[in-house]
Amino acid sequence: QKEVEQNSGPLSVPEGAIASLNCTYSDRGSQSFFWYRQYSGKSPELIMFIYSNGDKEDGRFTAQLNKASQYVSLLIRDSQPSDSATYLCAVSNSGGGADGLTFGKGTHLIIQP
Amino acid sequence: DVKVTQSSRYLVKRTGEKVFLECVQDMDHENMFWYRQDPGLGLRLIYFSYDVKMKEKGDIPEGYSVSREKKERFSLILESASTNQTSMYLCASSLAVAYYGYTFGSGTRLTVV
Repeated sequence: QKEVEQNSGPLSVPEGAIASLNCTYSDRGSQSFFWYRQYSGKSPELIMFIYSNGDKEDGRFTAQLNKASQYVSLLIRDSQPSDSATYLCAVSNSGGGADGLTFGKGTHLIIQP
Repeated sequence: DVKVTQSSRYLVKRTGEKVFLECVQDMDHENMFWYRQDPGLGLRLIYFSYDVKMKEKGDIPEGYSVSREKKERFSLILESASTNQTSMYLCASSLAVAYYGYTFGSGTRLTVV
């Protein structure tokens, strides 16, 4: 059974600080990794994806991937109250993702003004 | 931008009814997916399809079936609704999962009474 693990939180971070969200996965053959943001009562929206080991930056967001440790993280710099949401880590299943993504249960992030 | 439309935002049905949840995407995506999302359980894959008239079981297909007669439309069918099928149902589509991840619809919150 493929597994994606996240700390459910809540993770409370002061406004303006860096929020660090972590994810581990079990399928060593996984190739692609995604972060989705989900506001309460809404559907998930894609905010970052990463394929290669190392860091990928997009605005205030940085995704980090370490395939040897089977570990993915998302950093949010200069956190804003609007970043308060649940963040879902998703991993493409080995075989190119033809059978979809496996999701973690999400980390609930609260940015305190 | 890809648009994935789910026909109903909220739905209330009675136990034993046959329920149809419709999902339409407008970007000629081959891959479509149905998930349900429950507190504490996260997103769980019900069925997916990678081509017209093709369907594959996900992790929790029991009590559900699907139909994909046209490329843009993927329907989820609850053959005889039960109270344990009360959930948020999310449809997603993708051109290529490992490269692009999913685009989700807005979700259907189904209550079975």
